[in-house]
Amino acid sequence: DGGITQSPKYLFRKEGQNVTLSCEQNLNHDAMYWYRQDPGQGLRLIYYSQIVNDFQKGDIAEGYSVSREKKESFPLTVTSAQKNPTAFYLCASSTIQVKAEAFFGQGTRLTVV
Amino acid sequence: KQEVTQIPAALSVPEGENLVLNCSFTDSAIYNLQWFRQDPGKGLTSLLLIQSSQREQTSGRLNASLDKSSGRSTLYIAASQPGDSATYLCAGLNTGFQKLVFGTGTRLLVSP
Repeated sequence: DGGITQSPKYLFRKEGQNVTLSCEQNLNHDAMYWYRQDPGQGLRLIYYSQIVNDFQKGDIAEGYSVSREKKESFPLTVTSAQKNPTAFYLCASSTIQVKAEAFFGQGTRLTVV
Repeated sequence: KQEVTQIPAALSVPEGENLVLNCSFTDSAIYNLQWFRQDPGKGLTSLLLIQSSQREQTSGRLNASLDKSSGRSTLYIAASQPGDSATYLCAGLNTGFQKLVFGTGTRLLVSP
């Protein structure tokens, strides 16, 4: 099955801890994105990448880091510098140009305990 | 800076009604506009994508239109069913392909 796989589905973080969210796609898409969703708010862009070994900050990058060592993978690390990390995190991918239709994973719900 | 607004924020209708969800955007320089569905606790499912050169797209009971000059898109759902209950999100992709800008969504409830 082609698609985007996020793991884990649920994640709990202690204060001061870094955690990494996984995102893998087998759609051969060049672009990958990380969004954060909070209740009552729209999706906000954290980071995006259009090519391997390159990525750009989105609107709310502070306290987060990413890497893009492989085309298929775009992991997101939530660092201890992110003061309010409890949220639903969504990964997406798309082609660049042509239709550029975006497809999303099933999300990871992160909770601080 | 692109801003996307969706009205109404919530909508409750009886089964069988035809309904329209609205999406407006401030920057007409969009590459495409995409409609998504989100069920509680789940990711987003792509419903329809309209490229900037197109006026509308149809899939089954869904029809989406795009008017770049007025900065508006509508999603029309015909003969609504309880299974259509979900949050519907629209998003515009800028011409730099850098990001989708999302509206805050319309929460739809279709009652049997």
